[in-house]
Amino acid sequence: AQSVTQLDSQVPVFEEAPVELRCNYSSSVSVYLFWYVQYPNQGLQLLLKYLSGSTLVKGINGFEAEFNKSQTSFHLRKPSVHISDTAEYFCAVSFPNDYKLSFGAGTTVTVRA
Amino acid sequence: DAGVIQSPRHEVTEMGQEVTLRCKPISGHNSLFWYRQTMMRGLELLIYFNNNVPIDDSGMPEDRFSAKMPNASFSTLKIQPSEPRDSAVYFCASSFPRRGHGNTIYFGEGSWLTVV
Repeated sequence: AQSVTQLDSQVPVFEEAPVELRCNYSSSVSVYLFWYVQYPNQGLQLLLKYLSGSTLVKGINGFEAEFNKSQTSFHLRKPSVHISDTAEYFCAVSFPNDYKLSFGAGTTVTVRA
Repeated sequence: DAGVIQSPRHEVTEMGQEVTLRCKPISGHNSLFWYRQTMMRGLELLIYFNNNVPIDDSGMPEDRFSAKMPNASFSTLKIQPSEPRDSAVYFCASSFPRRGHGNTIYFGEGSWLTVV
């Protein structure tokens, strides 16, 4: 079985400050990892994904994430946030050749001026 | 390119009424998902179709819920009769799983259902 834990439910941050959202997964086999963003009153949009290869993955809107197999983590980072980054962020995991995505509980990021 | 299209975007209905949510997946995608999102339970997978066939409906809450996919470009999720606890955002999503590329799922904008 696989599960995803997002360690922070709420992350307040000031504009232009860096942000890191933590995600840990539990699996005894290789997995694919995803980060999705949900802006207010909208659907989920893919930010980035890790399938294999380089452990540092760059996504849209200046976000990046690093896969750490030994720590079973896939933390999301942005060096300087904007007000428009206020949203809920979901980490998700799936097995290769499996259709299911298992989502974390989400982290709400609120960017303040 | 058109994304996943859902309708209605918002629906308010009275308890006991039938609710039908509609979804048009991305053209060429052969996998379709219905998710439900609530504050209490987060994102829950309700049902998964592959090539129009329901593969996993273990997440469907109870018999009041049913989903169909009569063809590759259309799916419905029906609740009959609806109850206040069904109030949630219902997302349709689609994908085209490819070996080695992961199953990247694309979500629609959601149908916001309120049952009063």
